[in-house]
Amino acid sequence: RKEVEQDPGPFNVPEGATVAFNCTYSNSASQSFFWYRQDCRKEPKLLMSVYSSGNEDGRFTAQLNRASQYISLLIRDSKLSDSATYLCVAGGYSTLTFGKGTMLLVSP
Amino acid sequence: EAGVVQSPRYKIIEKKQPVAFWCNPISGHNTLYWYRQNLGQGPELLIRYENEEAVDDSQLPKDRFSAERLKGVDSTLKIQPAELGDSAVYLCASSPGGVGDTQYFGPGTRLTVL
Repeated sequence: RKEVEQDPGPFNVPEGATVAFNCTYSNSASQSFFWYRQDCRKEPKLLMSVYSSGNEDGRFTAQLNRASQYISLLIRDSKLSDSATYLCVAGGYSTLTFGKGTMLLVSP
Repeated sequence: EAGVVQSPRYKIIEKKQPVAFWCNPISGHNTLYWYRQNLGQGPELLIRYENEEAVDDSQLPKDRFSAERLKGVDSTLKIQPAELGDSAVYLCASSPGGVGDTQYFGPGTRLTVL
């Protein structure tokens, strides 16, 4: 089983739609969780950290479910500029593991 | 503030040739990472430095890959000899603290081995 698993997509959604991605992690000792965004042929950039109580940043909401070992990312009111690959990251004190990413395509 | 700098941005070599990548992290960042990213995959850690000490090199193919971080600042990753399967993007990242901190990535070096 992969340490961090994501549905590769692509998720095709129209502008204004709400879309959600899930990511599962296998290491129950994981303490740190992030969502990174990666545009085509660019480097990953932090989108948001994921906190135990859940957190929101504008149109983006991240949730953590420790019991089921998954994290989620919800994007509301999708914009064309949200088209990218979203990388889930989970880890403990010694290492972080990236998922393969979920591709999102937002169309007009 | 300047970001993570990497060079070269692109490199094309023939198999069995050596190649080296250079990374200058964000000033003051103690932790430096080298990742390899293949098409359609997430970044995979090769080595992590805390200052000048390599604290996690378990995924570094030591028969052909080597890395150093002299004086705890710049770092160099070397492959000798390169193989066809080494074609990938090599990403350098840095963070101010340890593993749980946000990582800031450089633009990467796209390596093509012919």
